[in-house]
Amino acid sequence: GQQVMQIPQYQHVQEGEDFTTYCNSSTTLSNIQWYKQRPGGHPVFLIQLVKSGEVKKQKRLTFQFGEAKKNSSLHITATQTTDVGTYFCAGWSGGSNYKLTFGKGTLLTVNP
Amino acid sequence: DAGITQSPRHKVTETGTPVTLRCHQTENHRYMYWYRQDPGHGLRLIHYSYGVKDTDKGEVSDGYSVSRSKTEDFLLTLESATSSQTSVYFCAISDPGQQINQPQHFGDGTRLSIL
Repeated sequence: GQQVMQIPQYQHVQEGEDFTTYCNSSTTLSNIQWYKQRPGGHPVFLIQLVKSGEVKKQKRLTFQFGEAKKNSSLHITATQTTDVGTYFCAGWSGGSNYKLTFGKGTLLTVNP
Repeated sequence: DAGITQSPRHKVTETGTPVTLRCHQTENHRYMYWYRQDPGHGLRLIHYSYGVKDTDKGEVSDGYSVSRSKTEDFLLTLESATSSQTSVYFCAISDPGQQINQPQHFGDGTRLSIL
């Protein structure tokens, strides 16, 4: 079945450093979604990418969807302590079956 | 946050006992999902529902059953709990459109410990 790999599994940064997490799918995706889960919390939707090569920005966060629609990345510029949490990508392969396949997530910790 | 309530929030039980977790939504969303979250495994889909009495298996469905008799409620049952089912369980809801998948909104989770 479809697999979504996400790296790195963990990333520790100093506040102000940049951070990137990468997501790769074994199959072509119709769209990809990104979620953030704060420690002890539940996943919260951040953004959805649909088009090949799409780039979207949310303040210090930049999301990219690869040209082949099999990979994606999330880049955070100048991390802050509020960025701490686990970031998940989740891919949908299309069709009438609305199931997401989640990556295992990247846990980001930020040293103030 | 979306109107999703999971109950109970915490539960400790013994191996071999039946356990039912409830997810209740007030958003009238068509799709409902049950995930489990374990360290190193991320979120794994157990079962999902695409309407009243319409359910299907996810990637880790063995040992679990579900029911959806009303739009707003989705129940997850462990018929005979095992220690390997100790986990945090999340319910999610979604209302997909015609051509595009819509975001999923998650409940606060149920922490289940099986001794």
